[in-house]
Amino acid sequence: DSGVTQTPKHLITATGQRVTLRCSPRSGDLSVYWYQQSLDQGLQFLIHYYNGEERAKGNILERFSAQQFPDLHSELNLSSLELGDSALYFCASSVGPSGELFFGEGSRLTVL
Amino acid sequence: AQRVTQPEKLLSVFKGAPVELKCNYSYSGSPELFWYVQYSRQRLQLLLRHISRESIKGFTADLNKGETSFHLKKPFAQEEDSAMYYCALGPPGAQKLVFGQGTRLTINP
Repeated sequence: DSGVTQTPKHLITATGQRVTLRCSPRSGDLSVYWYQQSLDQGLQFLIHYYNGEERAKGNILERFSAQQFPDLHSELNLSSLELGDSALYFCASSVGPSGELFFGEGSRLTVL
Repeated sequence: AQRVTQPEKLLSVFKGAPVELKCNYSYSGSPELFWYVQYSRQRLQLLLRHISRESIKGFTADLNKGETSFHLKKPFAQEEDSAMYYCALGPPGAQKLVFGQGTRLTINP
């Protein structure tokens, strides 16, 4: 499957812990976007990287950080986790700095 | 500030009936607008974008700058249209897409 790949698909952890979510974009895509979808919330934009550089930032908490590596995969780091961080985290990629987004299946994070 | 409002969380229509999913936006400038769809057990995917002015799967959407709306319409709904629909807005170049909360459309046989 050459689509957007996200790992892990499911993750259960405790408050105060730190987790890393990983995203591999489609082959040839240079942009990676991260979104958070909480219960009863729409897709909240977190951050966008293009070819390793941060391009746009949304309401991303200071406890969260992300980066895009030279091989173009991206990681979203969530630390000091709180119950409210439980959500579905989506990664999307696109060819250029804008354009049609191709989404992964999401990583479901549960914080207990 | 960029904002997208989809006033209906749930919408149910009968097969063959017209369907309209509402989307209103708030943006100072000329945004790019999109409709994304998520069918059961599938990934979120682009349905259409306003700049292309095309019809996809019988759906069309017209940007009304005066009413700041981008409603999605289809004259005759089909059962396979049942899905979650998201309206999204971004600045020109759309590097930061803001999504609405989505409308779950159910087409009844």
